[in-house]
Amino acid sequence: DTEVTQTPKHLVMGMTNKKSLKCEQHMGHRAMYWYKQKAKKPPELMFVYSYEKLSINESVPSRFSPECPNSSLLNLHLHALQPEDSALYLCASSQDLGFLNEQFFGPGTRLTVL
Amino acid sequence: AQTVTQSQPEMSVQEAETVTLSCTYDTSENNYYLFWYKQPPSRQMILVIRQEAYKQQNATENRFSVNFQKAAKSFSLKISDSQLGDTAMYFCAFRNYGGSQGNLIFGKGTKLSVKP
Repeated sequence: DTEVTQTPKHLVMGMTNKKSLKCEQHMGHRAMYWYKQKAKKPPELMFVYSYEKLSINESVPSRFSPECPNSSLLNLHLHALQPEDSALYLCASSQDLGFLNEQFFGPGTRLTVL
Repeated sequence: AQTVTQSQPEMSVQEAETVTLSCTYDTSENNYYLFWYKQPPSRQMILVIRQEAYKQQNATENRFSVNFQKAAKSFSLKISDSQLGDTAMYFCAFRNYGGSQGNLIFGKGTKLSVKP
């Protein structure tokens, strides 16, 4: 199984809503990532988890709250988002943080904030 | 700071022909890794090919090969015998050895269309 799954595929939320994005992998990877991708732009790194501990937070606003409950699961909790947060949110995983390790990407969640 | 530049926003190629996507990068480091990722219209990004900077031999993966010119800081991707399934956004990416862990620096991408 070389798949990273993400749910939901699409999400529409208001600025006062609280929602969560979910990412799952069963490849035994110990590093997991959240990226934000705006239309026609490259992915931008948001968070990195290594062995279930937050390793990198790229100065992401606190309205985005990541969580790694176990080695297979990564969540992104959303609260009080702004319309400019609308984007494709990609999850990825890799064996660990080794520099040549391939990152496997999920299909993404298309988020629209109204 | 490291930067990655893809100077071709869009390219097109006829099926079965060869196309080359360009990528240049800027770094003062000597050890690093370079990657090409493909993102088809279905959105799932996949790794196409990777190159370690200390290896002089250019990486190849079936129809995909790179021309790595370290002195020129150039890392182009050649796709031979183009297929319709190669239609996608292609991102060149850089990762510094010993740098910010997990931090892939992406170029802005090249949209490749393969025409029948």
